[in-house]
Amino acid sequence: SQTIHQWPATLVQPVGSPLSLECTVEGTSNPNLYWYRQAAGRGLQLLFYSVGIGQISSEVPQNLSASRPQDRQFILSSKKLLLSDSGFYLCAWSLPGSTPDTQYFGPGTRLTVL
Amino acid sequence: AQSVAQPEDQVNVAEGNPLTVKCTYSVSGNPYLFWYVQYPNRGLQFLLKYITGDNLVKGSYGFEAEFNKSQTSFHLKKPSALVSDSALYFCAVREDYGQNFVFGPGTRLSVLP
Repeated sequence: SQTIHQWPATLVQPVGSPLSLECTVEGTSNPNLYWYRQAAGRGLQLLFYSVGIGQISSEVPQNLSASRPQDRQFILSSKKLLLSDSGFYLCAWSLPGSTPDTQYFGPGTRLTVL
Repeated sequence: AQSVAQPEDQVNVAEGNPLTVKCTYSVSGNPYLFWYVQYPNRGLQFLLKYITGDNLVKGSYGFEAEFNKSQTSFHLKKPSALVSDSALYFCAVREDYGQNFVFGPGTRLSVLP
């Protein structure tokens, strides 16, 4: 069966510091991968999605970036964090070619920028 | 462009009573509709989805949802609520030719003992 991992689970970082959040998926190949941000325990904002290694689409321009160095690894990064980057970051995967490709979510990373 | 509305921020229901969490959508093509549940500080869990066919979809934990094309709605229902159902519920839509999901703002369900 497929599983999705995110780490760290929680992170407290000062403003201006760099960020790296990692997401990995097990038990499937060539998944579609997604990064979402959830602010204040409410709606989800799609940040990035990827349909393959090195293929990243950005939905919202900001100081965050994403990379997919391996098939089942998706990384969210920032060079300098802002206060507004605080939130709950969720990674998700889906199986391309399935109709529709249901998204399955990881446990999330809670980021607090001070 | 596709969109999802969840008109209620909060729904309160007594344990044992039926519950309904509302969702309406807007898409250009045929919709694929989903419900997810989120417990505090956790990721979203998939509950059920509508693709085509029977308008009543059954999902996990006794939940079901009814697709109504004329009203563009996909309300989540459960005949008898449990206190453990208290959580944040998200409706999502994807067009049949689209790539990405659009999530509603979420509805917080509180089931009171």
